[in-house]
Amino acid sequence: DQQVKQNSPSLSVQEGRISILNCDYTNSMFDYFLWYKKYPAEGPTFLISISSIKDKNEDGRFTVFLNKSAKHLSLHIVPSQPGDSAVYFCAASVKDSGYALNFGKGTSLLVTP
Amino acid sequence: EPEVTQTPSHQVTQMGQEVILRCVPISNHLYFYWYRQILGQKVEFLVSFYNNEISEKSEIFDDQFSVERPDGSNFTLKIRSTKLEDSAMYFCARGRERSSYNSPLHFGNGTRLTVT
Repeated sequence: DQQVKQNSPSLSVQEGRISILNCDYTNSMFDYFLWYKKYPAEGPTFLISISSIKDKNEDGRFTVFLNKSAKHLSLHIVPSQPGDSAVYFCAASVKDSGYALNFGKGTSLLVTP
Repeated sequence: EPEVTQTPSHQVTQMGQEVILRCVPISNHLYFYWYRQILGQKVEFLVSFYNNEISEKSEIFDDQFSVERPDGSNFTLKIRSTKLEDSAMYFCARGRERSSYNSPLHFGNGTRLTVT
């Protein structure tokens, strides 16, 4: 069962522009959401997170937005840089499940010069 | 630099053989996890391990799998009799030292397991 969905397998953005990566979820019990970045031959690297009590969290060029009513979150990267090219995974967890994360399938972002 | 070190980086084994994947956290943490990613698919939760016990496991983590922390440092995942469909990247992750919720997991670089 795909509880976390990333419907865009790939995204291409020009350097300097905004990258918007989207994620939808079906489990209304999720209360903690994360974005991970993954380069080939490496493990997922934590990028940014948001708890369900917030609707926005910002860290430098990265901002995560959470719309609980729509069960939707997005990651904005601005300005995008070529080094941001990677696969981005959305993940979510439920408090009572401990730390087990449900991942989406990922979106491959390519930032072109 | 990853905060957990996984060995080996690549393991090739024959179907039916046992494999042990290892994870060494850099600092002393209580929470450990194993995830796997079959090629082209999502990262899937296998098992969480807290205070030297399994705290949660997924339906993937059947009787062929086991975890332990034999020497208080290394954290291992054993697959007793490998199947072709066990071929995947296996990621170890650690949680924060304190059992506070809403903290991210930090992953190792993974072990690529190839079952032939």
